[in-house]
Amino acid sequence: GEDVEQSLFLSVREGDSSVINCTYTDSSSTYLYWYKQEPGAGLQLLTYIFSNMDMKQDQRLTVLLNKKDKHLSLRIADTQTGDSAIYFCAENLGWGKLQFGAGTQVVVTP
Amino acid sequence: ETGVTQSPTHLIKTRGQQVTLRCSSQSGHNTVSWYQQALGQGPQFIFQYYREEENGRGNFPPRFSGLQFPNYSSELNVNALELDDSALYLCASSKGQGPDTQYFGPGTRLTVL
Repeated sequence: GEDVEQSLFLSVREGDSSVINCTYTDSSSTYLYWYKQEPGAGLQLLTYIFSNMDMKQDQRLTVLLNKKDKHLSLRIADTQTGDSAIYFCAENLGWGKLQFGAGTQVVVTP
Repeated sequence: ETGVTQSPTHLIKTRGQQVTLRCSSQSGHNTVSWYQQALGQGPQFIFQYYREEENGRGNFPPRFSGLQFPNYSSELNVNALELDDSALYLCASSKGQGPDTQYFGPGTRLTVL
């Protein structure tokens, strides 16, 4: 398809791990990104992965990339209430154009 | 905090009017990209400016136009506003063209009545 696809909603208990999945469109995308957006705010860059990598770990965040299936995931370990937000994956299509998914709303419950 | 600032924070306009939104890029960045984020959706790429020239454009009509200034700050202009233009407008700055990571400002919320 033409769109970056993400599941719309994820509910997780505080302390558990969250996994957010994304399918992107262009196998030639060089960089893939995860952004976080809190209510009424702009986008905060969480992490990114270069297309020649399979995995990247950054503190509580782990990104997995499956280029064959064009699948990207973000795992958040020990999820906290402050992690409640909308998470966007994005691919770089060149010429500075980022193509975003519709976002996954993550709700963390006590 | 990314160092990218946008003004104004909120704006209300009526159909047919024109609007100008402003963005100051992060220090050391020479590229600014603009995105439109409608409610409940992901951001959509409008265009990018690199060294004062438009460097790439998304699927937006010509009434969306922009400028970049020698200090790399940028403006987004929208003419003949329509109700569907109501959205959060985000700008992002980066060090250069291509895959360089983009850092976003807080956005301008535009409401068209």
